[in-house]
Amino acid sequence: EAQVTQNPRYLITVTGKKLTVTCSQNMNHEYMSWYRQDPGLGLRQIYYSMNVEVTDKGDVPEGYKVSRKEKRNFPLILESPSPNQTSLYFCASSQTSFEQFFGPGTRLTVL
Amino acid sequence: KQEVTQIPAALSVPEGENLVLNCSFTDSAIYNLQWFRQDPGKGLTSLLLIQSSQREQTSGRLNASLDKSSGRSTLYIAASQPGDSATYLCAVRDGANNLFFGTGTRLTVIP
Repeated sequence: EAQVTQNPRYLITVTGKKLTVTCSQNMNHEYMSWYRQDPGLGLRQIYYSMNVEVTDKGDVPEGYKVSRKEKRNFPLILESPSPNQTSLYFCASSQTSFEQFFGPGTRLTVL
Repeated sequence: KQEVTQIPAALSVPEGENLVLNCSFTDSAIYNLQWFRQDPGKGLTSLLLIQSSQREQTSGRLNASLDKSSGRSTLYIAASQPGDSATYLCAVRDGANNLFFGTGTRLTVIP
């Protein structure tokens, strides 16, 4: 089944403790991206990647890192999480300029 | 920067009614526009994708139109059902493959 998977689905952590949210797609898509969704602000793009080893900043990249060493994986790294990074995070993938497919989301709470 | 607006923010209709959701965007230089559905606490499901050269797309009871020059799209849902209750998001893609989302319309279909 074609899908985008994210892990973990739920995470509660404390300020400053490094964490990684994994994202994987099995559709051989070139384009992958991360979004955060906050009430009243909608979905905002954090980082995106056009292909392996090619990443770029979206609208709200501060406090996040990404890497794209393999085509199927695009992890999101929070080196030192803060409470304002509490949010619902989505990973998405697509063939360039075509329909985007979204993962199920990761709900992150930073205390 | 592209801004996407969806009006109304919330809508309640009785079962069986036809309804229209609106999406407007500020920069008409878009590559395509995509409508999504989001159920509470869940990911996004793609409903329809309209390329910038197209005027409309249809899938079952859903019809999406695009007027690029005026910066507007509508999602028409025919014969609404309680299962259509969800938040509907529109997103426009620019030439750099970035996706800009509206904040959504929360639809409730009353049995």
